[in-house]
Amino acid sequence: GAGVSQSPSNKVTEKGKDVELRCDPISGHTALYWYRQSLGQGLEFLIYFQGNSAPDKSGLPSDRFSAERTGGSVSTLTIQRTQQEDSAVYLCASSFGTANTEAFFGQGTRLTVV
Amino acid sequence: DAKTTQPNSMESNEEEPVHLPCNHSTISGTDYIHWYRQLPSQGPEYVIHGLTSNVNNRMASLAIAEDRKSSTLILHRATLRDAAVYYCILRDQTGANNLFFGTGTRLTVIP
Repeated sequence: GAGVSQSPSNKVTEKGKDVELRCDPISGHTALYWYRQSLGQGLEFLIYFQGNSAPDKSGLPSDRFSAERTGGSVSTLTIQRTQQEDSAVYLCASSFGTANTEAFFGQGTRLTVV
Repeated sequence: DAKTTQPNSMESNEEEPVHLPCNHSTISGTDYIHWYRQLPSQGPEYVIHGLTSNVNNRMASLAIAEDRKSSTLILHRATLRDAAVYYCILRDQTGANNLFFGTGTRLTVIP
């Protein structure tokens, strides 16, 4: 596709369930980023991939959160045993792996934990 | 990563120029200055970036101070569609190439 694609666009889940959020980056982009944005708040960095490896996992809020990237392309963010405070928009971005290039964002997945 | 400081909010009249400031006094020689904006209910979008020289593109201009400790994003004629949160970010060429967002400046455009 032409841009970063995230799925699902909306997800409602019951507290305690596990969820998987998917990000398809732009073809050829080696860097991939995940963020969380709660209502009315700024972007909270979660994790960054360069290729399939994650040099920086410092933003993952707890061990219930994990992410992987396979084939240097698709990434999955998994939240186990979801809590109500996990409700937010989860945004993914991709870019070529240099500081002189722009990052492109997907439209996000709105997660609601009930 | 070096830190940036921006005003929390600014207002502009429609069709007037807007100058959005950003301070980055601890910038290193290898940091690029990037600007992104986030329109309501959308993901962020790239606006412009530069290293040392001023930059122009179809969206905006970026004026970088000679000592690189500050920069200004210039919207030449604000429209209602420019109402957004604007983020100034430093990207390090030599580091982990992260992309950290601060709190940004919320721009309100008054008709």
